[in-house]
Amino acid sequence: GAVVSQHPSRVICKSGTSVKIECRSLDFQATTMFWYRQFPKQSLMLMATSNEGSKATYEQGVEKDKFLINHASLTLSTLTVTSAHPEDSSFYICSATKDSSNTEAFFGQGTRLTVV
Amino acid sequence: AQSVSQHNHHVILSEAASLELGCNYSYGGTVNLFWYVQYPGQHLQLLLKYFSGDPLVKGIKGFEAEFIKSKFSFNLRKPSVQWSDTAEYFCAVNYSSASKIIFGSGTRLSIRP
Repeated sequence: GAVVSQHPSRVICKSGTSVKIECRSLDFQATTMFWYRQFPKQSLMLMATSNEGSKATYEQGVEKDKFLINHASLTLSTLTVTSAHPEDSSFYICSATKDSSNTEAFFGQGTRLTVV
Repeated sequence: AQSVSQHNHHVILSEAASLELGCNYSYGGTVNLFWYVQYPGQHLQLLLKYFSGDPLVKGIKGFEAEFIKSKFSFNLRKPSVQWSDTAEYFCAVNYSSASKIIFGSGTRLSIRP
């Protein structure tokens, strides 16, 4: 199979603090990982695409200094929400692909972030 | 810009009714097409995918989708829905030129028992 695991599944943090979300491909090497944000009853909005060992490519309107993405290995990518505010509260989902053509993505279970 | 449109925001059907959910995408060269389902409280699961070949694709749980290149469409169908099909359905397109996967806005399917 192809399993992608996110941790934590839920996190509550105070305004102004930073939160790190991990995305791991458990049984395959992920050439590319994607980070999405899903607002309630809405679709997944692509935030950024990350390739192992290189800088992430951010979608238009996504602040790269606020949403730090690190893809240090072929099995781990992290998303750090810096100086979180209540409007950053959302469901964050990662996905990973096995090959460079990105023909199929496998999704993590998501992380519910609540900023209070 | 690449985009994916799902025209049905919320569909309500009775059990045993036939289902068709629309999905259209903007031109962007070579594409791979997917339908994902998200059951309440669960993560995304792949229903089916189209890469090449027969434009009629069969997936899990009795779902199928037809790729019509001339219409830039990839509609999802099921001849007879069940209450357990209640979920959110997302069409997604992998634009090879951009190496990214774009999602449609989703369609919420509610099935009356």
